[in-house]
Amino acid sequence: AQTIHQWPVAEIKAVGSPLSLGCTIKGKSSPNLYWYWQATGGTLQQLFYSITVGQVESVVQLNLSASRPKDDQFILSTEKLLLSHSGFYLCAWSLGWVNQDTQYFGPGTRLLVL
Amino acid sequence: TQTVSQSDAHVTVFEGDSVELRCNYSYGGSIYLSWYIQHHGHGLQFLLKYYSGNPVVQGVNGFEAEFSKSDSSFHLRKASVHWSDSAVYFCAVSHNTNTGKLTFGDGTVLTVKP
Repeated sequence: AQTIHQWPVAEIKAVGSPLSLGCTIKGKSSPNLYWYWQATGGTLQQLFYSITVGQVESVVQLNLSASRPKDDQFILSTEKLLLSHSGFYLCAWSLGWVNQDTQYFGPGTRLLVL
Repeated sequence: TQTVSQSDAHVTVFEGDSVELRCNYSYGGSIYLSWYIQHHGHGLQFLLKYYSGNPVVQGVNGFEAEFSKSDSSFHLRKASVHWSDSAVYFCAVSHNTNTGKLTFGDGTVLTVKP
């Protein structure tokens, strides 16, 4: 069975500080990977997607970047946090590339920027 | 541009009642529709999806949804709710792009009273 793990569970960071959030998928090779952001009490917005190692595409510009250093790992980062980065970050994976492939979400990382 | 509208921000029912959560979309092409549930402070859990075929799809925990092309709708239903069904429900739509992008509605908060 596939498992998806995100770290850390939660972070409190200062404005202007760097950030690194991680996501690992186990039990599935070459998954498609996605980062989503959810403002507190809001809906979800896709940030990045990746179909293979080393290849990441940006969907929305939020002064964030993403990388896929390994097949099973997806990293979200920034060098300088903004207040607007606060929220809930969710990683997701899917089997394939066609639009009917279900996306499965991780437990999320809650970020508070002060 | 595809949009997803969940007209009810909050729905409150009693345990054992039936419930319908509404979702309408606007997109003219080939799409797939899905529903997710989010319990407070957790990630999203996949409930069900529709791409083609039988417009009534069955999901986990007794949920089902019906696709209507004429109404541009994909309403979620459950015949008898349990208190543990209290959560936020998100409708999502995706069309055939290279991003695997899911566009989410704003969510409906379902509260089930004992």
